[in-house]
Amino acid sequence: ETGVTQSPTHLIKTRGQQVTLRCSSQSGHNTVSWYQQALGQGPQFIFQYYREEENGRGNFPPRFSGLQFPNYSSELNVNALELDDSALYLCASASSGDTQYFGPGTRLTVL
Amino acid sequence: AQSVTQLGSHVSVSEGALVLLRCNYSSSVPPYLFWYVQYPNQGLQLLLKYTSAATLVKGINGFEAEFKKSETSFHLTKPSAHMSDAAEYFCAVRNAGAGSYQLTFGKGTKLSVIP
Repeated sequence: ETGVTQSPTHLIKTRGQQVTLRCSSQSGHNTVSWYQQALGQGPQFIFQYYREEENGRGNFPPRFSGLQFPNYSSELNVNALELDDSALYLCASASSGDTQYFGPGTRLTVL
Repeated sequence: AQSVTQLGSHVSVSEGALVLLRCNYSSSVPPYLFWYVQYPNQGLQLLLKYTSAATLVKGINGFEAEFKKSETSFHLTKPSAHMSDAAEYFCAVRNAGAGSYQLTFGKGTKLSVIP
């Protein structure tokens, strides 16, 4: 069974640019969530997708958007990058159970 | 609104000593509670979870946690620390309702193990 994978591992962008992060969920998992973890902080919930629809969102502006595909993989898009967007972005997948399984994350640096 | 407070951003213990990491939660509905561990430059790994069954929950690597409703606590313990336990530990809460897997995390406790 393949776990949650994310790409790329690291990414460097400049302020104002746009970025796309990708996540492949664990086999059989139809729900994907994205979290932002700033340095020295706990992860913060960005949003959740279930069967290609966003069905939950945290306190993040609209320039954070996402997609979920029919194979349940997902993308996180961030427009107009700001310095404070520098963080580890974690993807987590779940099925009908009560546990989310996290990927290794993408480290985004905004210069 | 849910919240999690982890007391102590940094805890140091000697190898072989008891590990105690504290977590208090706030939730208006019955919660599901989780402990995750994060090693440097890695994602989160589930240690254990409470989902309204037994109040004493056993997890991986010898860790356990006890849900105490009266104290709104879910402290993580391990009888004997090992060097490999050095990592950051996060407590998280989730509403025990259907549909949303949204987790609210604490700020984390970094555990150092002294040889």
